[in-house]
Amino acid sequence: GAVVSQHPSRVICKSGTSVKIECRSLDFQATTMFWYRQFPKQSLMLMATSNEGSKATYEQGVEKDKFLINHASLTLSTLTVTSAHPEDSSFYICSATKTPGGDTQYFGPGTRLTVL
Amino acid sequence: GQNIDQPTEMTATEGAIVQINCTYQTSGFNGLFWYQQHAGEAPTFLSYNVLDGLEEKGRFSSFLSRSKGYSYLLLKELQMKDSASYLCAVRDNTNAGKSTFGDGTTLTVKP
Repeated sequence: GAVVSQHPSRVICKSGTSVKIECRSLDFQATTMFWYRQFPKQSLMLMATSNEGSKATYEQGVEKDKFLINHASLTLSTLTVTSAHPEDSSFYICSATKTPGGDTQYFGPGTRLTVL
Repeated sequence: GQNIDQPTEMTATEGAIVQINCTYQTSGFNGLFWYQQHAGEAPTFLSYNVLDGLEEKGRFSSFLSRSKGYSYLLLKELQMKDSASYLCAVRDNTNAGKSTFGDGTTLTVKP
């Protein structure tokens, strides 16, 4: 199997606070994890590519100081939204591949972030 | 970069066949994926094409023509549960294997 979990599934926070989202590969080691953001009725926008033990590679336009990514182990990557604002409210989804550039991305169930 | 186009919405009848098209322009190509996404949920993998031709998997088939930058997803014997958004994604040929997603096609299956 290839199961990816995310925690929390939903989070509501006040503007200015920081929120950490965890992405775990439960039954395989993920050398690469991807973080996406999806606004309502829009497609997935890649935010960053995370490789275990190295710095994440951010897509153009994504603030690395605002969206902190840590890929500390082969089964865990975290995304921290710092000083969240209402415009950061979105559906955040992670995915993982078993090998670098692997054929299939296995998606987590997503985290719904609402910033008040 | 990648540019991916697919229709925004489609409607079909239960039991029928529907074809969802995807065209792409890429700076590098290493495979095309189709995903299904129900509202409020994460995408689930449907198919992967890297060579030209048709890949069949049960009720779902996917076709790729690299020279034309074209793919389609074919859904047969439509069921109500097939109502969802269908995402076309193109993977680039970097080591990271990043995928760029189209905006998705919302399919509504009617009785």
